[in-house]
Amino acid sequence: AQSVSQHNHHVILSEAASLELGCNYSYGGTVNLFWYVQYPGQHLQLLLKYFSGDPLVKGIKGFEAEFIKSKFSFNLRKPSVQWSDTAEYFCAVGPYYNTDKLIFGTGTRLQVFP
Amino acid sequence: EPEVTQTPSHQVTQMGQEVILRCVPISNHLYFYWYRQILGQKVEFLVSFYNNEISEKSEIFDDQFSVERPDGSNFTLKIRSTKLEDSAMYFCASSESTGYNEQFFGPGTRLTVL
Repeated sequence: AQSVSQHNHHVILSEAASLELGCNYSYGGTVNLFWYVQYPGQHLQLLLKYFSGDPLVKGIKGFEAEFIKSKFSFNLRKPSVQWSDTAEYFCAVGPYYNTDKLIFGTGTRLQVFP
Repeated sequence: EPEVTQTPSHQVTQMGQEVILRCVPISNHLYFYWYRQILGQKVEFLVSFYNNEISEKSEIFDDQFSVERPDGSNFTLKIRSTKLEDSAMYFCASSESTGYNEQFFGPGTRLTVL
């Protein structure tokens, strides 16, 4: 069965620290990959997505993610976090043939302290 | 910026009662989805809907669940006879089309079944 694992459940950082959130998926075929963010009291919003091409994708607010096919991973990174990055981050996978259905990880809660 | 809206934000009901959760997708979107997140667990796909038909549903989406687009703007999820385990946050999403398009999420309805 398809699944997505986010190993970091809760991350606490100081401002200006670097961030890397892990995401691994289990699916034998070609996939589309997404990171969504949910700021406190707000909607899930798309941070970035990967469909094909350059495995290093850039998203909004200085975030980027790298798709490593051999490791079934799509880790999210940001070189220098800000207090405003405090949010819950969700990795999601959609099978290439059918992105009707997004499969989400459990989410990582990020707290950034000034 | 157009957004998906959901009402109510919080619904409390007694076990065995019917509930209807409402969503207004983004107006030019054609694909509609429901997801749910039980507290502390993953966001799970329930159902996708296109052209007035269910296009895919998960094993969670049993006979107790139904979806409808009663008019040109609303998209509803009905749970006929709620169970304690239906307590969750329910998210509606919409997209312009399937495939390479982002799903836009609503803020969610928190359903509490007593």
